[in-house]
This record gives sequence, structure tokens and C-alpha cells, in this order.
Amino acid sequence: QAVLTQPSSLSASPGASASLTCTLRSGINVGSYRIYWYKQKPGSPPQYLLRYKSDSDNQQGSGVPSRFSGSTDASANAGILLISGLQSEDDADYYCMIWHSSAPVFGGGTKLTVL
Amino acid sequence: EVQLVESGGGLVQPGRSLRLSCAASGFTFDDYAMHWVRQVPGKGLEWVAGINWNSGKIAYADSVKGRVTISRDNAKKSLYLQMNSLRPEDTALYYCAKDTGAYGDYGSGFDIWGQGTMVAVSS
Repeated sequence: QAVLTQPSSLSASPGASASLTCTLRSGINVGSYRIYWYKQKPGSPPQYLLRYKSDSDNQQGSGVPSRFSGSTDASANAGILLISGLQSEDDADYYCMIWHSSAPVFGGGTKLTVL
Repeated sequence: EVQLVESGGGLVQPGRSLRLSCAASGFTFDDYAMHWVRQVPGKGLEWVAGINWNSGKIAYADSVKGRVTISRDNAKKSLYLQMNSLRPEDTALYYCAKDTGAYGDYGSGFDIWGQGTMVAVSS
């Protein structure tokens, strides 16, 4: 079982909100990890969005709009990237990452389609 | 402008070697840990290797351990990845990335990425 699991795709309408999940493998407690989120457009390198562990331990990437925010769902053992007020430019792949066993691990990515 | 520029990629036969370089500018290079991350076109991200500010702490992904060596030259503001015994499964776009961690250690997010250099391993 992968360390991090992301849904392969998600669709949402402009102006709506989208919640992208990053589920941690059983036995790895989401409350113990900082979850990092990246956005990648085709032909471009990943862009750092934010880090979230708790409301008191989080960091927004430089220049990243506040409509991108992080949270966790302890019951689902998942990190969440919430994007509000969706815009066409949010159409991209999104990756989560944690540091596990002293190495960074990426989720498989979610392709968000804004249509 | 904060920038990372990779070079050194290309087409190489299986079993051969390649050395990738990453030139940094716009930030104090020796204040930060650095990493190599690769991506097969159309696929996800895979971390390859990381190095702290003074090369005193280095780590590799299991998939490349024993075949690659990460290094840095702070005077030249450059990061390197020596890749030996290349395999077809090493074919990917290789990015260098800056760690946000304090005190030059790694273990945080990657806030600056280069455009990548493509490595293709094929006979």
C-alpha cells in the first residue's frame, strides 16, 4: 500500500470550491506529519503551495493566494488542500508530500479539472 | 531573481554514466539543503537524493542508492548528481529543488524548482 494516496482526478466548476485529499497509509498518523502541497501545470516544474500540520503549524508559500488552504481530517487520516473560488488557472496536477522515514514521499497526484 | 538551472541531461546507453548540474542564483545557496527530484513524463514525482548545506548529511532513494552520488560546491553555487550504471527506468525529467528548512538542514518543503533536464536511457 502506498504511503500517500490521492484520487487520480477531480472536477469542479469555476467559482466553486475543491477539496483535494491525501490519505496516509494505515499506521501513519496524519496528526504527526507536516503535509506539503504542490501545484504543477503541464510543461512547468512544481510550484510550492503550502505546508499544513495544524492551525498553529502551517505555512503559506510565497505569493500563494489565501484561497489555497490546508487542513486535515483525522477520521479519514488524510490531509486536505482546499481551493476556494476556483479559477481556470487552478486547472493543474496537485501533489502532496510528507517526510517519512527520513525521506520525502510524494502522493501520486490529483488532476484537477476546472470546467 | 531566484533561479535554479539544470543541465547535463541527454540520451545515454544503459550502463553508462551522466553528470547533472544545477546552477543556483538569487539566494544564499549555502544556507539551504538541496534535492534532486525526477518525473517520468506524464507520471508523478519521485525524490532521488538530498544534501544538507555543508554536505554533512546526504540521503538517497532506495531506487538509486549505490548508483548515484549527490554533491554540491557552495563556492560555485552548484548542485550535482553523478549517475552511474544507468537503467532504462532512470529515464525521466530531473529537477533540482531548494529545501525551505532552517539552518541548512533538509526535512521541509521544496520552494524553488528548476525547469529540469531530461535524461533518456536507451540503446
